[in-house]
Amino acid sequence: GQQLNQSPQSMFIQEGEDVSMNCTSSSIFNTWLWYKQDPGEGPVLLIALYKAGELTSNGRLTAQFGITRKDSFLNISASIPSDVGIYFCAGPDNYGQNFVFGPGTRLSVLP
Amino acid sequence: DAGVIQSPRHEVTEMGQEVTLRCKPISGHDYLFWYRQTMMRGLELLIYFNNNVPIDDSGMPEDRFSAKMPNASFSTLKIQPSEPRDSAVYFCASSPSDTRPYEQYFGPGTRLTVT
Repeated sequence: GQQLNQSPQSMFIQEGEDVSMNCTSSSIFNTWLWYKQDPGEGPVLLIALYKAGELTSNGRLTAQFGITRKDSFLNISASIPSDVGIYFCAGPDNYGQNFVFGPGTRLSVLP
Repeated sequence: DAGVIQSPRHEVTEMGQEVTLRCKPISGHDYLFWYRQTMMRGLELLIYFNNNVPIDDSGMPEDRFSAKMPNASFSTLKIQPSEPRDSAVYFCASSPSDTRPYEQYFGPGTRLTVT
């Protein structure tokens, strides 16, 4: 089945810094979604992208649907301690039947 | 709205026992998903329902796993017999519509430990 790759696997940043992470696939995706998971909880949807080239913001978060349809990017500006968690990209496969999650990027914010 | 409700939150059982996990989706949501999360395999979709009908169960690991959705407000995931390798966090999620079925709302999960 289709697989998603995320980089970096983990990152440590200082509070106030900007963060960038990305998600890639070997095949085309028609929808990209970004979720965040806090420890002990279920993932929470951050941003959904439906069109190649689309750039969407949600507060300090901005995500882009890559033009090639094989990648997506998530940026967080001016990080704060509550940004700590695991960020997942996800999307439906070409047939829209299966829904896959990437392995996640673990973000740690140092005060 | 109460969000997606899962029970129990934690379950510890012995190998060979039957385990039943329960989920109440958000009222009015047409889609319901069951996932399993482990360190080794990450988040895996097991099965999903649309309007109480199973659409794709290709992610269900084997015949020991079964899922039902008898009505729009309740679903179960059953493992019989359970094995230690089934230890994981199981999430239920629901989404509201045909146009955006992937914008899912997750429950808090059930942490299953099989000894």
